[in-house]
Amino acid sequence: AQSVAQPEDQVNVAEGNPLTVKCTYSVSGNPYLFWYVQYPNRGLQFLLKYITGDNLVKGSYGFEAEFNKSQTSFHLKKPSALVSDSALYFCAVRDGGGGNKLVFGAGTILRVKS
Amino acid sequence: DAGVTQSPTHLIKTRGQHVTLRCSPISGHKSVSWYQQVLGQGPQFIFQYYEKEERGRGNFPDRFSARQFPNYSSELNVNALLLGDSALYLCASSPEASHNSPLHFGNGTRLTVT
Repeated sequence: AQSVAQPEDQVNVAEGNPLTVKCTYSVSGNPYLFWYVQYPNRGLQFLLKYITGDNLVKGSYGFEAEFNKSQTSFHLKKPSALVSDSALYFCAVRDGGGGNKLVFGAGTILRVKS
Repeated sequence: DAGVTQSPTHLIKTRGQHVTLRCSPISGHKSVSWYQQVLGQGPQFIFQYYEKEERGRGNFPDRFSARQFPNYSSELNVNALLLGDSALYLCASSPEASHNSPLHFGNGTRLTVT
């Protein structure tokens, strides 16, 4: 079964510093990977996806993610964090059973302090 | 363009009651999925519908059911509510059911079962 793991419950970073939110995956077949962000009392917002192609994927709000097949990782990154980036971040993988069902990780809280 | 809309936003029910949650997808989107997000966890897949047909079902009991209407809106029904059904229920839509289509989420319905 497809799965993702987010090893950190929370990541703290100072405003202006680079941030990384980690995700590792386990799939059979080709991985289709996604990052979503959730603000309090809101639904999930799509940030970016990896289907195929370049290992560095650029997404919304200045975020990018690096796909690493040998390490089975898909870490989310941003060169310079903003206080407004503080939110709950979810990594997800497409389920192998067809359609566009997603399997989500447990989430990582990102706190950016000024 | 309006995003995915869900109603109601909040709901309080008693154990044993039933509940109906509603979702209107983004205009032009033919696929609707439902997810359950328990506090502190990532969303869990419940159902996917595409063109009014069920395309996938997650590991949820038969108390959970759903349907999609000709206008592509959808309802999620839960019978014989349990305390453990308390969660944020998220609806997501996509243009189609393929693996390339990112999901667009609504803000969810917060269900509290007492």
